[in-house]
Formats: sequence, structure tokens, C-alpha cells
Amino acid sequence: DTAVSQTPKYLVTQMGNDKSIKCEQNLGHDTMYWYKQDSKKFLKIMFSYNNKELIINETVPNRFSPKSPDKAHLNLHINSLELGDSAVYFCASSQDYGGISAYNEQFFGPGTRLTVL
Amino acid sequence: GIQVEQSPPDLILQEGANSTLRCNFSDSVNNLQWFHQNPWGQLINLFYIPSGTKQNGRLSATTVATERYSLLYISSSQTTDSGVYFCAVELNTNAGKSTFGDGTTLTVKP
Repeated sequence: DTAVSQTPKYLVTQMGNDKSIKCEQNLGHDTMYWYKQDSKKFLKIMFSYNNKELIINETVPNRFSPKSPDKAHLNLHINSLELGDSAVYFCASSQDYGGISAYNEQFFGPGTRLTVL
Repeated sequence: GIQVEQSPPDLILQEGANSTLRCNFSDSVNNLQWFHQNPWGQLINLFYIPSGTKQNGRLSATTVATERYSLLYISSSQTTDSGVYFCAVELNTNAGKSTFGDGTTLTVKP
């Protein structure tokens, strides 16, 4: 009974291709996130959604398009993949966001390692 | 923007030793979390601690929000404690956006 799951775990593809990464959470949370971890282990937020609505979009190239079909799912589609997109992508979720509240504690998925050749 | 600085960047310990990891942040925060990224890449929640002190087994954490820092204490370290420790903070003026520090890489030798 995995809380936050991502598929695939590994993704190897050629430059210029389009690919998607899927994320699902079974925690009943309202807020979901995508993070990127580069080769130096720096973790940076890309997007966050609350109740299927985009709330954070952090200067990410528009080749990256998140889609939230429902509160339990947040997918990431990447067009025209570039070498610099190689990284580990983490999905996370929290019950809520903003303000001081334990409901804002984030829980992470296992990550998807994307390699662009 | 908010600055989150962790120290030390690297730490090597013998099994059984104690350690303190520090996270400094540049502004008032709503939320602060500590994570352990194990050698397999999993991000494991350690503490949600915007203020105060919490303990969980050999680990404890203290956040002094007014002085803008948080400390993670690891006692009687074990080889399984190895990995990267991150703190992540969310500004009260930037709801929903967590900023991660660069992490402390801990190696515990048997």
C-alpha cells in the first residue's frame, strides 16, 4: 500500500522525444508537487497543484506540462527532451499547503530517474 | 529569495558517534521539514518541525524560528544512517513553495 507512487522508475530516451511520468497518491491529500533533483543532488520545486488547480509554477520551460486529472494524480509530460533534462524527478503530496500546519507535511514518491541520450 | 544553508556539507563518523546537523534560513518560515535521502535515493520524512523540539528514537530536532535555524541530532550513529540529510523550508510569504538546502552528506563507517 504505497502512499505516493511514480511510474516509471527509470526512463531512458533519446533527445527530442516526448515522454510522460505518472504520479498517484492514496493518502487522500489535496496538494501534489513535482520536484527535480539534479546530478549534484540539488532539489528544486517545479510545480504544485491544489485540488487540481496550479498554484506554483517555478520558471520551468514550457516543454514541461503538468496535468492533474483528479486530486490523486499529477502527471508530468515533457516535450522535445534535452540532455539537461536528465535528472531524478520526485512527486510529493501534502494534505494542504500554506500556513503553519502539520497538514502541510510533504511525503515523497520513490523518484523517476530520467536519462536523455 | 529565501536562503537555506546547511552545514556541514559532508560529515564522516565512526559508528556509535553523535552528530549535529544545522540548517539556517534567511526569513520567517511557516513550515520546516527534515528528510533523509538514503543511498537508494528514497526521501524519508524525519521531522515536521516549524518550531520546538521533537524526538524519534536516536534522532531529535530543534527549530528556533526566531533565530532562524534548525538542528538535527543523531545519536549513536549506525551505518544505516548514511545518506544525505536535507532541510526544506516554506516561507510564510510564499505558501506552497518549499526550498531545500543543499544537504549534508553523512557517511557512517563501521
